[in-house]
Amino acid sequence: EAGVAQSPRYKIIEKRQSVAFWCNPISGHATLYWYQQILGQGPKLLIQFQNNGVVDDSQLPKDRFSAERLKGVDSTLKIQPAKLEDSAVYLCASSLSPLTSAIYTQYFGPGTRLTVL
Amino acid sequence: GIQVEQSPPDLILQEGANSTLRCNFSDSVNNLQWFHQNPWGQLINLFYIPSGTKQNGRLSATTVATERYSLLYISSSQTTDSGVYFCAVEPLGGGSEKLVFGKGTKLTVNP
Repeated sequence: EAGVAQSPRYKIIEKRQSVAFWCNPISGHATLYWYQQILGQGPKLLIQFQNNGVVDDSQLPKDRFSAERLKGVDSTLKIQPAKLEDSAVYLCASSLSPLTSAIYTQYFGPGTRLTVL
Repeated sequence: GIQVEQSPPDLILQEGANSTLRCNFSDSVNNLQWFHQNPWGQLINLFYIPSGTKQNGRLSATTVATERYSLLYISSSQTTDSGVYFCAVEPLGGGSEKLVFGKGTKLTVNP
C-alpha cells in the first residue's frame, strides 16, 4: 500500500514570496490533515479536511495561508506572502474517516522542509 | 486546551538497554498515538492506543486513560531506535480529530 506522498521535499524562498505544497493521501482515506512542525517542537495542526470540506482550520493563519482539496483526494497548501517565521516542515497526514471507522490512525507523509530567507 | 507532557526530554542509552518513555495528558482523550520521528524527519506510527496495552516486537505501550498517562517501553534498544518519540492525543469532544503533540523525547542509542 502506497503511503502519503508530498512534494516538493525541500523549498527555499525569500520572504514575501509565495510557495505551494502538494499532498496525495493514502487511497481510500477521506480525512486529510496539514501540520506545521517548527524545529524542536511537535507538529501543530493547521487544517483538517473531511473529503473536500474543512473540519478544523482554527489554527491556520488565514491572512497568508490557504488550502484546498477540490476533488476530495489531493490537497495543496499555499503561503502568500511568506514570512521568516514560516520556516518549518509541513507535514501532510491522512486517515480513514472517524464517521465510518472506529480506528482512524493518522499516517504521515515525509514532509516538505521550507526555509524562508 | 489539552496539555501533553513527555518525559524525559532527552535519553541516552547504550545498545541493548531498556527504557520507558512517559506521556501525561491533562484531559480525557478519544485517541492516543505514539510516533517515532527518524533522523530524516519521517513520522512513523508505532501504536494507536487510547487505552490498554499493545506490543509490537521490542516495543510495547500501555495507556491508562483514567489516570491520563501512557508509557512506551523499548527493550533491547538498537542504534536504529534513535530519533524523537512523540506522544499525540485527540482531545475528547474537541470537534475535530486533530492530534495535539507533546514536545517529544529525543532518544540516542550508542553502539
